[in-house]
Amino acid sequence: QVQLVQSGAEVKKPGSSVKVSCKASGTTFRSDGFTWVRQAPGQGLEWMGGITALSGTTNYAQKFQDRVTITTDESARMVYMELNSLRSDDTAIYFCARCGPSLLGYFDHWGRGTLVTVSS
Amino acid sequence: SYVLTQPPSVSVAPGQTARITCGGNNIGSQSVHWYQQKPGQAPVLVVYDNSDRPSGIPERFSGSNSANTATLTISGVEAGDEADYYCHVWDISSDHVFGTGTKVTVL
Repeated sequence: QVQLVQSGAEVKKPGSSVKVSCKASGTTFRSDGFTWVRQAPGQGLEWMGGITALSGTTNYAQKFQDRVTITTDESARMVYMELNSLRSDDTAIYFCARCGPSLLGYFDHWGRGTLVTVSS
Repeated sequence: SYVLTQPPSVSVAPGQTARITCGGNNIGSQSVHWYQQKPGQAPVLVVYDNSDRPSGIPERFSGSNSANTATLTISGVEAGDEADYYCHVWDISSDHVFGTGTKVTVL
């Protein structure tokens, strides 16, 4: 079955960057899209952006447009999300999820999440 | 931007029916998806494209969507259904939008 395994928790200083990884298995990968969603402590879900694995086409939420980069490594079946210029309010659990290649539909499989803590 | 409004909480006795609403402007013209999230866990897709269920999701979970309100219905609620539930749409002007979330408590 489809599995998305994410990298471990991170603690970062304000102003630094974090790169979270997500390894996909049980899926063709090339025909998939992948998306990133975050959840601040006690808060709801917030979409950040997504990528089409085949073409590398990305689509970012306007809020994160200037700070986030989503990439893939097809040979390693990896998806990455890098967030720059971290602030304390970026403290959250970051989830990767699989979606269709159009990036427009539902998210049918999710990773378990990666906690990123931003603190001086 | 497109806003999806859910009630903060819904309480239901075991065996009864829980209805969770998701309000949005002309949401009936959108495809709505629903996720269940238990504490400390990742969200799980329970309904997609308004009323379809992924494999492995019990028939107790059903969805509908019309006019300005989409609804997730959980029939015969069980203790294990206690969780947060989020609706989700893709909107051409706002991209992916999640509802505010509803905490379902089984009494």
